[in-house]
Amino acid sequence: EPEVTQTPSHQVTQMGQEVILRCVPISNHLYFYWYRQILGQKVEFLVSFYNNEISEKSEIFDDQFSVERPDGSNFTLKIRSTKLEDSAMYFCASSGTRNIETQYFGPGTRLLVL
Amino acid sequence: DAKTTQPPSMDCAEGRAANLPCNHSTISGNEYVYWYRQIHSQGPQYIIHGLKNNETNEMASLIITEDRKSSTLILPHATLRDTAVYYCIVTSDDKIIFGKGTRLHILP
Repeated sequence: EPEVTQTPSHQVTQMGQEVILRCVPISNHLYFYWYRQILGQKVEFLVSFYNNEISEKSEIFDDQFSVERPDGSNFTLKIRSTKLEDSAMYFCASSGTRNIETQYFGPGTRLLVL
Repeated sequence: DAKTTQPPSMDCAEGRAANLPCNHSTISGNEYVYWYRQIHSQGPQYIIHGLKNNETNEMASLIITEDRKSSTLILPHATLRDTAVYYCIVTSDDKIIFGKGTRLHILP
């Protein structure tokens, strides 16, 4: 069964450093998403991406965050200057349509900012 | 904020049916009811969805009341691997707004 993959599985960084989280969506999918989950809290929507541009973003997705699809296969989330409160599990999801039932999540990247 | 209300936790004996309730009294006519689950530290996984008719697939059944203000997810024969947080989501959009869900414990 096709699956979304994410790398790295864990990342530790110092506050103020830039991090790039990588996702390889399912190959024929067109819609891409990032969510995050702070330990013990709800999964929160960050951003959706379609046709090489952001479709929608949440209040969390401020100027420190950016997304891109640099080579047609990877989908990346960049955090420019990490803060302690960015520590969370980050999930990538992809979908073949805008229908939620076709949205597949990756296993997540656990980011720890020290 | 999520438009649904779910009990924070439930227990179910292994092999029995697990019935997880969800209230969504403010649901709009074009909004679907979706269920996802999250096994510890993994990504959320789609289970089932419906608009107004009851639905069944290989994982579960979804019962939606006639007024659509509540629904029940049924796992017919729960196993230990069904231990997870179950999320009921109501939306017509493609972004998922998760609530706190129901933490289901399957007891051996």
